[in-house]
Amino acid sequence: DAKTTQPPSMDCAEGRAANLPCNHSTISGNEYVYWYRQIHSQGPQYIIHGLKNNETNEMASLIITEDRKSSTLILPHATLRDTAVYYCIILAGANSKLTFGKGITLSVRP
Amino acid sequence: GAGVSQSPSNKVTEKGKDVELRCDPISGHTALYWYRQRLGQGLEFLIYFQGNSAPDKSGLPSDRFSAERTGESVSTLTIQRTQQEDSAVYLCASIIQVQTKNEQFFGPGTRLTVL
Repeated sequence: DAKTTQPPSMDCAEGRAANLPCNHSTISGNEYVYWYRQIHSQGPQYIIHGLKNNETNEMASLIITEDRKSSTLILPHATLRDTAVYYCIILAGANSKLTFGKGITLSVRP
Repeated sequence: GAGVSQSPSNKVTEKGKDVELRCDPISGHTALYWYRQRLGQGLEFLIYFQGNSAPDKSGLPSDRFSAERTGESVSTLTIQRTQQEDSAVYLCASIIQVQTKNEQFFGPGTRLTVL
């Protein structure tokens, strides 16, 4: 599976949109972009995934560039409870082994 | 059950003892992972069970670590001759794979402390 690059940390103000970037320049055509997050002292939680089209669900939106070499996870109205480590992961399919990198630590400030 | 359960929730043991950690996945989930997370560190993949296929053991750090899974149900992770560096939270996740979606559901973890 392709590797990802994420900045180590970022912060945003409560109520504002949080835009979390991820680079995956070696992604293959059959590989999906997944996002998980881990809130302190809890196990990771699935957020969203996509192949090439932008995706939206009740938690977040995923914007994938046309060349698929990067993506952005958007939390439209960040709350203090969104403070967590966010992992961008590339998977070849539903049966692929899922491993976690270092992720990006998002701190939402009041 | 409604989710993944793990037992015990906490385990304190002496160096050199063996420990067994248990994971009860969500019924019907065919795949199961074990991860380890040391304090302040990221998740470290240990082992992956997928249906009836041979498990992917590539993440096990030494031959002191082993894991088994009975069919598509309970899994146990065994650590023999525990060392202090084994102290960590051990997380189990079961996976539902629907079409393209690979969604992991994590248990609460077992916090292992080796004295």
